[in-house]
Amino acid sequence: QLQLQESGPGLVKPSETLSLSCSVSGESISRGGYCWGWIRQTPGTGLEWIGCIFYSGSTYYNPSLNSRVSMSIDTSRNQFSLRLGSVTAADTAMYFCARAYTWNYPLDYWGRGSLVTVSS
Amino acid sequence: DIQLTQSPSSLSASVGDRVTISCRAGQSISTYLHWYQQRPGKAPKLLIYAAGTLQSGVPSRFSGSGSGTDFTLTISSLQPEDFVTYFCQQTYSVPLTFGGGTRVEI
Repeated sequence: QLQLQESGPGLVKPSETLSLSCSVSGESISRGGYCWGWIRQTPGTGLEWIGCIFYSGSTYYNPSLNSRVSMSIDTSRNQFSLRLGSVTAADTAMYFCARAYTWNYPLDYWGRGSLVTVSS
Repeated sequence: DIQLTQSPSSLSASVGDRVTISCRAGQSISTYLHWYQQRPGKAPKLLIYAAGTLQSGVPSRFSGSGSGTDFTLTISSLQPEDFVTYFCQQTYSVPLTFGGGTRVEI
């Protein structure tokens, strides 16, 4: 059974970089085709797709975050990561990692989520 | 960006009721429309993909229809565990976007 688990600091200071990792178990992240993604959710703005990354390293990012976001994949550790720079309070959210068959397919497996608060 | 407008934002119903949730896209998205269910404090769960295909393991009381700009999620007979929030999502173009959600309440 595929499982995803987010990890990372729960508190980040304004202007710093938010870093999260998603550990995948039950399947090799190197299996071709899948796009491993990040989504965030706030009560005010709802669900927002951040982007996704293929095991090859190819990425799709939300243009609204494109200048601040980067994703990477570590096949040796079977995990992928998110970095979001220059954070503000508006980046406070629950961050989910998830899997899609490819970028334009639905998200069929999700992690439980990781709450990140941006505050000094 | 393709905007998805869900209606209603909330609805009140009873166990056994048939309910319909609408999702309207700002432009045609063919059938690149998917529905998720989210329980409080949990991640969204995929219910229906490609507008009308039931995800494996999802009860048959859930169904979806539509194409182009207008889509519908129907729950044929509400069960107690169905009183949660539902979202639609389009994967027609980047950025992928979600609807604002519909909360189904008793």
